[in-house]
Amino acid sequence: EPEVTQTPSHQVTQMGQEVILRCVPISNHLYFYWYRQILGQKVEFLVSFYNNEISEKSEIFDDQFSVERPDGSNFTLKIRSTKLEDSAMYFCASSTLETSFAYNEQFFGPGTRLTVL
Amino acid sequence: KNEVEQSPQNLTAQEGEFITINCSYSVGISALHWLQQHPGGGIVSLFMLSSGKKKHGRLIATINIQEKHSSLHITASHPRDSAVYICAVMKTSGSRLTFGEGTQLTVNP
Repeated sequence: EPEVTQTPSHQVTQMGQEVILRCVPISNHLYFYWYRQILGQKVEFLVSFYNNEISEKSEIFDDQFSVERPDGSNFTLKIRSTKLEDSAMYFCASSTLETSFAYNEQFFGPGTRLTVL
Repeated sequence: KNEVEQSPQNLTAQEGEFITINCSYSVGISALHWLQQHPGGGIVSLFMLSSGKKKHGRLIATINIQEKHSSLHITASHPRDSAVYICAVMKTSGSRLTFGEGTQLTVNP
């Protein structure tokens, strides 16, 4: 069964460093998402991406964040200068494109645990 | 106030019991997801529904659009069902998911 994969599973970095989190969505999916979950809190939406551009972003997704689809398979989230409060689990998700959003079930990757020291 | 509210926050059951987790939302939606999060953190999609009822094995999900309410039922619960169950809605205004706080379910043998 196809699945979303993410690398690395755990990333430890120093405050101020740049990190890139990688995701390989399901191959025929066209919508891609990043969510994050700070320890003990609920999952929060960061950004959605379709047709090589951002389609929605939350207030969390400021200038320190960027997303890219550098080739036909990878979808990346870059944090330019990490802060302590960026420590969280980051989930990638993908969905197909249907005529109605009501049919776009999102499938989640296993997550990358980012620890900023 | 949260747009998605789940109850209860924590639930402990004995193996074999019938479990119900509730989700209420205050916004217009096009679909609702029930998700399962394991202790390691991974999220698995259980159901996506926009009306009526869906069943998969021992899991049943229902939604009442008029009342803005959904329930997840687990029949004949088992210790391996122990996990956090999360309700998430897709608002009519876009495709992003808005999540509830989750319900921590513990099933004791």
